[in-house]
Amino acid sequence: TQLLEQSPQFLSIQEGENLTVYCNSSSVFSSLQWYRQEPGEGPVLLVTVVTGGEVKKLKRLTFQFGDARKDSSLHITAAQPGDTGLYLCAGAYSGSSNTGKLIFGQGTTLQVKP
Amino acid sequence: KAGVTQTPRYLIKTRGQQVTLSCSPISGHRSVSWYQQTPGQGLQFLFEYFSETQRNKGNFPGRFSGRQFSNSRSEMNVSTLELGDSALYLCASSFISGGVAEQFFGPGTRLTVL
Repeated sequence: TQLLEQSPQFLSIQEGENLTVYCNSSSVFSSLQWYRQEPGEGPVLLVTVVTGGEVKKLKRLTFQFGDARKDSSLHITAAQPGDTGLYLCAGAYSGSSNTGKLIFGQGTTLQVKP
Repeated sequence: KAGVTQTPRYLIKTRGQQVTLSCSPISGHRSVSWYQQTPGQGLQFLFEYFSETQRNKGNFPGRFSGRQFSNSRSEMNVSTLELGDSALYLCASSFISGGVAEQFFGPGTRLTVL
C-alpha cells in the first residue's frame, strides 16, 4: 500500500508565527502537489514539484521537494488568519504522474489566530 | 473558464438505496478523477476516466462505479448504500503541464446515508 504520512495533523498558532508541514513516504514520487482546502470547498492546487531538491516559493509559502523525491515540506512565514485551512500533500508515483491518480496525505489542519 | 461543477451539492439517502453523482469538468479537460473524503480516511482515490475509458482504479468495492461521456462529463454511481459511504465525494479534472497532471477540484457532493 502506498502511503503518504503528513505531520503534524493539527496546528494552532498565533498570527505572525512561522510553521512547517511535512509529507513523507517510503516510496519515490514522480511528482508531488500541495493543496489547500477550506470548509465546504474542494482542494485548490498551490504548487507542483517534480525535481528532487526543487524549491518553489509562493509569496510567504515555500515548498521543498527532497533530494530523493520521497519527502516534501511546506513552510509558511509570518502566518496570517487567511492561511487557516486544511493543507494536503498528494503524490503521483512512477508511471502515473501524467494521469489523474493521486495519493493524498491525511492533511494538516492549520488554525491561525489573530 | 468555468470551474469543475458537481451536482447535487448535498444528498441524503437511506441504506440499501443507490445514488448517482454528476461532474462536469473544465472545458478542454479530458480526464476526470473521483475521490472520497472522510474524516477518518482522508482523501482516497476512487477511479479516473479518460476519453470515456477507465484509466485508473482505486481499492473500492464494485458497488462504486463510474462512466464518462463523449463530452467528458462523468457520473459515479454507488449501489446498495452503506452507512460508511457517508462522505464528501470530490471530482477533479486534469490538465497536463510539463508531463504532470494538475488537478482542479469541484466543490464536492456531500452524501449522507441514514
